[in-house]
Amino acid sequence: DAGITQSPRHKVTETGTPVTLRCHQTENHRYMYWYRQDPGHGLRLIHYSYGVKDTDKGEVSDGYSVSRSKTEDFLLTLESATSSQTSVYFCAISGGQGVSYGYTFGSGTRLTVV
Amino acid sequence: QKEVEQNSGPLSVPEGAIASLNCTYSDRGSQSFFWYRQYSGKSPELIMFIYSNGDKEDGRFTAQLNKASQYVSLLIRDSQPSDSATYLCAGDTGTASKLTFGTGTRLQVTL
Repeated sequence: DAGITQSPRHKVTETGTPVTLRCHQTENHRYMYWYRQDPGHGLRLIHYSYGVKDTDKGEVSDGYSVSRSKTEDFLLTLESATSSQTSVYFCAISGGQGVSYGYTFGSGTRLTVV
Repeated sequence: QKEVEQNSGPLSVPEGAIASLNCTYSDRGSQSFFWYRQYSGKSPELIMFIYSNGDKEDGRFTAQLNKASQYVSLLIRDSQPSDSATYLCAGDTGTASKLTFGTGTRLQVTL
């Protein structure tokens, strides 16, 4: 989507290796989010950020960490990838007063842990 | 656990008919609700949002909210094959900073 990009789009990694996914926005939005999407579970919040260096956990944060050193970048790191972290990961941004106008999603990263 | 629930479907409707998608939520503190459309292999895109009880119309789409009964619905009039997708319902968590999503309803519009 315009204004938000995720990289990489696809990644295959081995169990036990660290992995970092990047989300970059050009909208200067305050809020950024990482979700994972799995069949039968829908979109589940991993971590979110409400400003530079301000982050908080979501419902499925175990095994993940995040960093936001600049307004435009929000990084998601899998410390030691496991097969249960095989998923599609979406970054989202929200401007204004939090979710008042909903999210805009990035194109997603399909991660496979073998 | 604050939840948003949807029937997974598939919901099959003929072309030209009205598709009715429903969603219930458990958090009475939720104020705003969103409908997203997601095509297979793509990211969700926002269709509509609604804050107030009643109906909100936008083209062929009408969102309905009933806070007393804690349900949200989306009506799609004159359904087209291009409307075939998964529709995600989401509600805020009351903190105005996060959304909780349902698992989605798959809609199939048949010719």
